[in-house]
Amino acid sequence: EAQVTQNPRYLITVTGKKLTVTCSQNMNHEYMSWYRQDPGLGLRQIYYSMNVEVTDKGDVPEGYKVSRKEKRNFPLILESPSPNQTSLYFCASSLDGPNQPQHFGDGTRLSIL
Amino acid sequence: GENVEQHPSTLSVQEGDSAVIKCTYSDSASNYFPWYKQELGKGPQLIIDIRSNVGEKKDQRIAVTLNKTAKHFSLHITETQPEDSAVYFCAAPRGGSYIPTFGRGTSLIVHP
Repeated sequence: EAQVTQNPRYLITVTGKKLTVTCSQNMNHEYMSWYRQDPGLGLRQIYYSMNVEVTDKGDVPEGYKVSRKEKRNFPLILESPSPNQTSLYFCASSLDGPNQPQHFGDGTRLSIL
Repeated sequence: GENVEQHPSTLSVQEGDSAVIKCTYSDSASNYFPWYKQELGKGPQLIIDIRSNVGEKKDQRIAVTLNKTAKHFSLHITETQPEDSAVYFCAAPRGGSYIPTFGRGTSLIVHP
């Protein structure tokens, strides 16, 4: 089954404690991206990757890092989380860019205390 | 950058009625316009999309229309059912960019 898998689904942690949210897709897609979803603001892109070792900033990259060492995986790293990063996060993938249908994971709800 | 405005933010209809959600965009170079449905606890899922060389596309009870001159596109759902209740998002990738802009979402409630 074609899918995007994120882990964990829920996480409560404290300010400053590094965390990683993993994302994996099984569709051999080149384009992967991370979004955060906040009430009233819709989906905003954090980072995207066009292919292995190629990443770039989205609209809200501050406080986040990503890596793309393998085609299927695109982890999101919060080196020093802060309360304003409390949000619902989605990983997505598409064949080769935003002009193709995006497949989303089921989300990770992060609470930073 | 691209600005996408989506209206209404909330839409309440009776089962069997039609629902229309509209998005306007600012970047005339945008050429792909998807609509996503997000159910509670799930990620957004593509329900229909349209490219700029087409004016209308239909898939059973769902249709999307595009007016490139006026820079707006709309989602039409006919014969609504309770399972259509969800949040709907439009999106418009910016021309020459790999960053899409999403509308802020419409919460559709279909009353049985």
